[in-house]
Amino acid sequence: DAGVIQSPRHEVTEMGQEVTLRCKPISGHNSLFWYRQTMMRGLELLIYFNNNVPIDDSGMPEDRFSAKMPNASFSTLKIQPSEPRDSAVYFCASSSRDRGYEQYFGPGTRLTVT
Amino acid sequence: GENVEQHPSTLSVQEGDSAVIKCTYSDSASNYFPWYKQELGKRPQLIIDIRSNVGEKKDQRIAVTLNKTAKHFSLHITETQPEDSAVYFCAASNGPGGYNKLIFGAGTRLAVHP
Repeated sequence: DAGVIQSPRHEVTEMGQEVTLRCKPISGHNSLFWYRQTMMRGLELLIYFNNNVPIDDSGMPEDRFSAKMPNASFSTLKIQPSEPRDSAVYFCASSSRDRGYEQYFGPGTRLTVT
Repeated sequence: GENVEQHPSTLSVQEGDSAVIKCTYSDSASNYFPWYKQELGKRPQLIIDIRSNVGEKKDQRIAVTLNKTAKHFSLHITETQPEDSAVYFCAASNGPGGYNKLIFGAGTRLAVHP
């Protein structure tokens, strides 16, 4: 099993640009989570999906952030327009009812907005 | 909503000593309590978890205890080794319908000195 796959691993962009982060969950997992990690705020849940349906997006900081899951094997997190305070590591995680809901994290995308 | 507090924020021990990290949660409906270890520059990885129907769980040198009445749970690491040095996160879950929305504590940076 390849585990959760995220791309890109590193992204450097200028303020105002659109950023798209991608995630491929573990095959067969039915839940997908997007987290943001910073020194100041720790690990924050942004949004999660069950069976491709967004369940809770209360952690999405503002309208500049959006997430989609068009099918069971792909999700995107988009920031438009990006700001320097969006700089963080963004993790995607997936879980399965069959595995007791243990969340497996991807390697993360380190985003730097200048 | 759920709130998880974690103490201490940093912990320094000598190799071979024990380390204890404590967390409290606010939502009495929480029923799943995982612990994650995050090494520098890497993803969080599950090391042990406990559900509300048990009071203690052990896996080699690590153990977790849960006190539902007091709404706190603890991670115990015995015979610490330098490779235990990392940031440890506790979490609690009270997601609807059994889905596993995790709320994380702020993390404890553990340093094990040879």
